[in-house]
Amino acid sequence: GESVGLHLPTLSVQEGDNSIINCAYSNSASDYFIWYKQESGKGPQFIIDIRSNMDKRQGQRVTVLLNKTVKHLSLQIAATQPGDSAVYFCAENLGGGGNKLTFGTGTQLKVEL
Amino acid sequence: NAGVTQTPKFQVLKTGQSMTLQCAQDMNHNSMYWYRQDPGMGLRLIYYSASEGTTDKGEVPNGYNVSRLNKREFSLRLESAAPSQTSVYFCASRYGHSYEQYFGPGTRLTVT
Repeated sequence: GESVGLHLPTLSVQEGDNSIINCAYSNSASDYFIWYKQESGKGPQFIIDIRSNMDKRQGQRVTVLLNKTVKHLSLQIAATQPGDSAVYFCAENLGGGGNKLTFGTGTQLKVEL
Repeated sequence: NAGVTQTPKFQVLKTGQSMTLQCAQDMNHNSMYWYRQDPGMGLRLIYYSASEGTTDKGEVPNGYNVSRLNKREFSLRLESAAPSQTSVYFCASRYGHSYEQYFGPGTRLTVT
């Protein structure tokens, strides 16, 4: 079946550096992608989204890039802070009814002081 | 505005016992979802309800039943719990014109 996966299970960065979290997806029919942040013991929290007709979208300190040619999605976090430490998930919407999201396995981001 | 709430936060069951996980949202969202999250894995969809009065199976529905009681509430029932159902369960909701799903804090379930 279709799947969403992440290249790196754990990413360690120094405080103040930029972080890049990657995600590969396999369903070319996916029309929408979301990045979620999950802190320990909490539910996932929306960070940023992007539609398949876009290549880039920027938020506050975060940027999502979409490369449909290679089916790749990335989340860039500028000036990483200790509060950014969490697991980050990408999710894709396969289209059709019910808005069902398929989630990747997640990347643990660790920010070192 | 509490968002999405789930009860209980923690639960321990013996194999064969039954229980119902409760979820409620106060955002007037149409769609609601139940996921399970196992260690080292992403969230997997169990059941969802696109609107009040409708429910559909997700990726891993076996061993579960759901009820969309009204627009606010969506419950998940385990009729005969098995150790394989040990997991963290998340409920989510979505407004009709948005893809974003809002998640509750989760229920950590252990089946011994």
